[in-house]
Amino acid sequence: AQRVTQPEKLLSVFKGAPVELKCNYSYSGSPELFWYVQYSRQRLQLLLRHISRESIKGFTADLNKGETSFHLKKPFAQEEDSAMYYCALYNTDKLIFGTGTRLQVFP
Amino acid sequence: DADVTQTPRNRITKTGKRIMLECSQTKGHDRMYWYRQDPGLGLRLIYYSFDVKDINKGEISDGYSVSRQAQAKFSLSLESAIPNQTALYFCATQWGLNTEAFFGQGTRLTVV
Repeated sequence: AQRVTQPEKLLSVFKGAPVELKCNYSYSGSPELFWYVQYSRQRLQLLLRHISRESIKGFTADLNKGETSFHLKKPFAQEEDSAMYYCALYNTDKLIFGTGTRLQVFP
Repeated sequence: DADVTQTPRNRITKTGKRIMLECSQTKGHDRMYWYRQDPGLGLRLIYYSFDVKDINKGEISDGYSVSRQAQAKFSLSLESAIPNQTALYFCATQWGLNTEAFFGQGTRLTVV
């Protein structure tokens, strides 16, 4: 079955520290993967998608088919990065989300 | 401004009552989704629809039903609400395959 796994419920770092939010997936075909973010009191919004290979707000994510991973990285965390992050997989006809990781960035 | 709007934003209801959550969009998207969000469980898909005549069950459809009244409207109903349906519910829209999904503000439902 197609599945998205985010092993960490909470990740706490200090400002300026590197951040890596983990995402692993199980999918039999070629996956289409996304990262969505939910800031406090805001609706979920797209952060980035693997097909565009772009960097948004300093975040990048590389698809590793061998390890079935799509980890989200940022070299220097900022306080405004504190939010809930969801990894998502587009599965033929629907969007499946992981359980989410809350990132806390302390000053 | 093109948007995805959910009503109501908050609702408290009693066990056994029927309740409807509504979602409307002005984006002209064909696909619409209903998810529920629970702490530690993330977003789980309840139902989704590709057009007015298409309704599909998600992973947790039991206890829920939906209606796609028009391309722009997708309603979620709880026929007989129970306390474990207390959650934050999100509607989302999408155009075509593998594109960005746009979310509503969410509806916080409490069943007492």
